[in-house]
Amino acid sequence: EIVLTQSPATLSLSPGERATLSCRASQSVSSYLAWYQQKPGQAPRLLIYDASNRATGIPARFSGSGSGTDFTLTISNLQPEDFAVYYCQQRSLWLTFGGGTKVEIK
Amino acid sequence: QVQLQESGPGLVKPSGTLSLTCAVSGGSISSSNWWSWVRQPPGKGLEWIGEIYHSGSTNYNPSLKSRVTISLDKSKNQFSLKLSSVTAADTAVYYCAREVDSYYPDWGQGTLVTVSS
Repeated sequence: EIVLTQSPATLSLSPGERATLSCRASQSVSSYLAWYQQKPGQAPRLLIYDASNRATGIPARFSGSGSGTDFTLTISNLQPEDFAVYYCQQRSLWLTFGGGTKVEIK
Repeated sequence: QVQLQESGPGLVKPSGTLSLTCAVSGGSISSSNWWSWVRQPPGKGLEWIGEIYHSGSTNYNPSLKSRVTISLDKSKNQFSLKLSSVTAADTAVYYCAREVDSYYPDWGQGTLVTVSS
């Protein structure tokens, strides 16, 4: 099983700031990594797939990078609607999610 | 756009079997996609349960494999989840989702299942 470790657990930022979220895999997943956003009471929403490709309708302020074992989700110019929990996900032998990073208003 | 809707009992007794159905609209369950179940215990993260292909092939999370069955009903354009021998640890919001190239662009809204006597 590939374990995904996300850090930090919580990120406290103000609107307009940049958020940098990390996801580290216990072994290489090449570029097969996705990022999701989840708000309270809602299903997750796909933001980024294949490490750096934005999903349909996702604003350009969301960007992903990395390959192998280290990945980053960057949210530039945080908007009020961006405060949420973010999960990374990989699919190798079977599918796993990271533990999540909560981006909260400072 | 594909839409998914979960349905089933919101309360299951310990040692019983949890049964949920996911109705698919706006697309065919016979298309070349995997159809999955994911769960989320209250206040916790996401856990993949398993998936089924239109051919009927399945993959399950090894930690749940002995208790999980996922099946298809093409005539109703839906797929189902059965989880046996449930305990309080199985209390969660259960989501169905459509997998595209190993990722999930489409999700149901989720349904809370509580295991309690």
